[in-house]
Amino acid sequence: EAEVAQSPRYKITEKSQAVAFWCDPISGHATLYWYRQILGQGPELLVQFQDESVVDDSQLPKDRFSAERLKGVDSTLKIQPAELGDSAMYLCASRPAWVLLSTEAFFGQGTRLTVV
Amino acid sequence: AQSVTQLDSHVSVSEGTPVLLRCNYSSSYSPSLFWYVQHPNKGLQLLLKYTSAATLVKGINGFEAEFKKSETSFHLTKPSAHMSDAAEYFCVVSDPYTGNQFYFGTGTSLTVIP
Repeated sequence: EAEVAQSPRYKITEKSQAVAFWCDPISGHATLYWYRQILGQGPELLVQFQDESVVDDSQLPKDRFSAERLKGVDSTLKIQPAELGDSAMYLCASRPAWVLLSTEAFFGQGTRLTVV
Repeated sequence: AQSVTQLDSHVSVSEGTPVLLRCNYSSSYSPSLFWYVQHPNKGLQLLLKYTSAATLVKGINGFEAEFKKSETSFHLTKPSAHMSDAAEYFCVVSDPYTGNQFYFGTGTSLTVIP
């Protein structure tokens, strides 16, 4: 069964350091999402890609966060510099190409980031 | 703009009794609606989805939900709770006509008492 792959699963970093997360969506899925989930809260959308283009990054803190999906396949989310408040689970999800009747998003296992 | 409101942050039921998790949505058009479950230290798993077909949707593990447009609701139910149902549940809205974003509610934590 195809899965969304994320790495690393866990990351501990010191504040002010740079950190990067990687996501490989299900093959053929044109839409890719990055979410941040703070403990005890629902996932918050950070950025949405359609192929290699950003569709929505309105909630991405652009002074420190960046995301790319250069070839429209895998994606990287970067934080520089990391702050204590960035400690959270970072989730990647993918969906098939645009359809009128929505299909569900498929989620990876996430990367748990701890900033110390 | 799309949004979902999960009316209860915590629900506690006894094993074998019915479960009701409430969700109201706001969408400009005809949305797609989903329920996901997240067990501790696990990924998000789809329970069921509504995509403008039947208003009563059946999902995995005995869960079902009814789409009520007049009430803008999509409540999740199960006739008889099992201990393994204890988890966090998220209602999600997506509108394929306005960008296909996938917005989560704040979640409902379900506790099942033996």
